[in-house]
Amino acid sequence: GQNIDQPTEMTATEGAIVQINCTYQTSGFNGLFWYQQHAGEAPTFLSYNVLDGLEEKGRFSSFLSRSKGYSYLLLKELQMKDSASYLCAVRDTNYKLSFGAGTTVTVRA
Amino acid sequence: DVKVTQSSRYLVKRTGEKVFLECVQDMDHENMFWYRQDPGLGLRLIYFSYDVKMKEKGDIPEGYSVSREKKERFSLILESASTNQTSMYLCASSPGQISGANVLTFGAGSRLTVL
Repeated sequence: GQNIDQPTEMTATEGAIVQINCTYQTSGFNGLFWYQQHAGEAPTFLSYNVLDGLEEKGRFSSFLSRSKGYSYLLLKELQMKDSASYLCAVRDTNYKLSFGAGTTVTVRA
Repeated sequence: DVKVTQSSRYLVKRTGEKVFLECVQDMDHENMFWYRQDPGLGLRLIYFSYDVKMKEKGDIPEGYSVSREKKERFSLILESASTNQTSMYLCASSPGQISGANVLTFGAGSRLTVL
C-alpha cells in the first residue's frame, strides 16, 4: 500500500509563492500526480512526475525526488482563484492511484 | 462539455436500503474508478475497472460492489447502506494503458447521506 502525507492547510498572500510538500511511502512507485480541487467541484489534473526533477507549467511547478519519496508543488504569483485544495497522488506498479488527504490553500488579498 | 456524468448530485437514504450510484463517461475510456472523499482522509479508492465486465478491489471495497456491463457505464452499489457510508462519492475515468501521464477525469460527485 501507499502512505501519503501532506500538510492540512496553508495560507499565503496574493502575489506570493507557496510550496506544498508531499512525502510518500510505496511498495512500488510508478508516477506522482498533483490535482487541484475547488470547493464543491471535481478534482482537475495539474501535473505529473515520474522521473526526478522539476516540471514547470506556467505559474505551477512540481518537483520529484524518488530516492527521498518526496515531491512538492510550487505555486507562484498567487491569485485569489488559486484558493483550493491540492491533492498529491501516487501510482504504484499495479497501476493503483492513491491520494493524500489534500492541502487547503487560502490566498488572502 | 460534460464528460463524466454522475446521475445524482445529492441522495438521502435510510439504513439498510440498497443504493445505486451511476456513472457514465462519453470519452470512450477503458478505465473507470469509484472513490469516496471524506474530510481529513482524502480520496480513497473503492473499486476500479479496466474493461467491460471486469472489476478490481481498491483500498476500501467492504460494503460495496460494482457493475460494468457497458464500456461507458460504471455503477457503484451499496447492498445495505449504513451510516458510515455517508460520504461524497466521486467517479473517474482514464484512457487506455495505465502508464505515463494517464490522467483521471472526475465527475462532479454524488453526496450520499444515510440516515
